[in-house]
Amino acid sequence: NAGVMQNPRHLVRRRGQEARLRCSPMKGHSHVYWYRQLPEEGLKFMVYLQKENIIDESGMPKERFSAEFPKEGPSILRIQQVVRGDSAAYFCASSPDKINIQYFGAGTRLSVL
Amino acid sequence: GENVEQHPSTLSVQEGDSAVIKCTYSDSASNYFPWYKQELGKRPQLIIDIRSNVGEKKDQRIAVTLNKTAKHFSLHITETQPEDSAVYFCAAPYRGGTSYGKLTFGQGTILTVHP
Repeated sequence: NAGVMQNPRHLVRRRGQEARLRCSPMKGHSHVYWYRQLPEEGLKFMVYLQKENIIDESGMPKERFSAEFPKEGPSILRIQQVVRGDSAAYFCASSPDKINIQYFGAGTRLSVL
Repeated sequence: GENVEQHPSTLSVQEGDSAVIKCTYSDSASNYFPWYKQELGKRPQLIIDIRSNVGEKKDQRIAVTLNKTAKHFSLHITETQPEDSAVYFCAAPYRGGTSYGKLTFGQGTILTVHP
């Protein structure tokens, strides 16, 4: 059973470009969470999704950021018009249901030049 | 929402000693408390978790204790080894509203085990 898969592992963007981060949850998991980790800091919740639904996006900036988890395919975290402050590691986690055990992917490290 | 405080921020021990990391939480409805270990440049890995219906859980050299009355839980590592060196995060879920599972993480503890 493959773990949580994230791609790309590293992403370099220039200011103003778009970044698309992908997350495929573990098989059988329908709950996906995105977290952001700034250098030498902890993990901050961004958004919680189930298939085709956003359950909680309270941690996601209102502008430029969006997330989806379509019926088919991976969850996507999209950042439009990136700025240097968006540089961070973005981790996706999945769980099978609301029992809270979350398994993390390897992360996408976004660098904005 | 949930507020999780973690101490200490750094911890340095000699190989073979014990290490203890403590966390407090604010949401009395929280009932699940995981601990994650993150090595440099790697993903957070779940190492142990505890639910509120028990006060202690042990897995080889790692144990977690929970005091629901005081709203704090602790990670205990015995017989530490250099490979235990990493950043450790505690977490608790926010149970409010419809968001059932999002985790609030502590600030992290950098554990260094000296050979």
